[in-house]
Amino acid sequence: DTEVTQTPKHLVMGMTNKKSLKCEQHMGHRAMYWYKQKAKKPPELMFVYSYEKLSINESVPSRFSPECPNSSLLNLHLHALQPEDSALYLCASSQVLLVNTEAFFGQGTRLTVV
Amino acid sequence: AQSVTQLGSHVSVSEGALVLLRCNYSSSVPPYLFWYVQYPNQGLQLLLKYTSAATLVKGINGFEAEFKKSETSFHLTKPSAHMSDAAEYFCAVGSTNAGKSTFGDGTTLTVKP
Repeated sequence: DTEVTQTPKHLVMGMTNKKSLKCEQHMGHRAMYWYKQKAKKPPELMFVYSYEKLSINESVPSRFSPECPNSSLLNLHLHALQPEDSALYLCASSQVLLVNTEAFFGQGTRLTVV
Repeated sequence: AQSVTQLGSHVSVSEGALVLLRCNYSSSVPPYLFWYVQYPNQGLQLLLKYTSAATLVKGINGFEAEFKKSETSFHLTKPSAHMSDAAEYFCAVGSTNAGKSTFGDGTTLTVKP
């Protein structure tokens, strides 16, 4: 299994809603990532987990809250989002957190905030 | 600090023509370089990576890239474009702060019939 699975594929939420994005991998990878991608732009790193511990937080607003319950699962909890947070949210994983390891990406969750 | 520059935000080729997507990097240490492809409404998929084992790197789908230290380049090529190659292509450099790979702005490849 070489897949990173993200659910849901599409999500529409109001600014007062609370929702969660889910990401799962069964490749035994110990590093997992959340990226935000706007149209026609490269992915922007949000969070990195290494061995289930938060390793990098790129100064992301607190309305985004990551969680890594175990080595296979990564969640992104969303609360009180703004319309400008509408984007494609990509989850990725890699074997470990090393400079020469490539990332495996999920298909993303297309989020629309209304 | 590492950085990546992709020359040409849009490249258009005819089916069967050579594909050349340009990537120049800046790195204070020997770089690890990657090319990813993104099809519409999909995640990114690794095409190939350079990790200093060989300067000519072969990837999936007939793509290859050559690392040229003197030119600080890692251009992506494919001898003959297929319609299915139409996508967004990102060059990336691995960071010394592991986990913070730097992506280029991307190049949109269009393939004309």
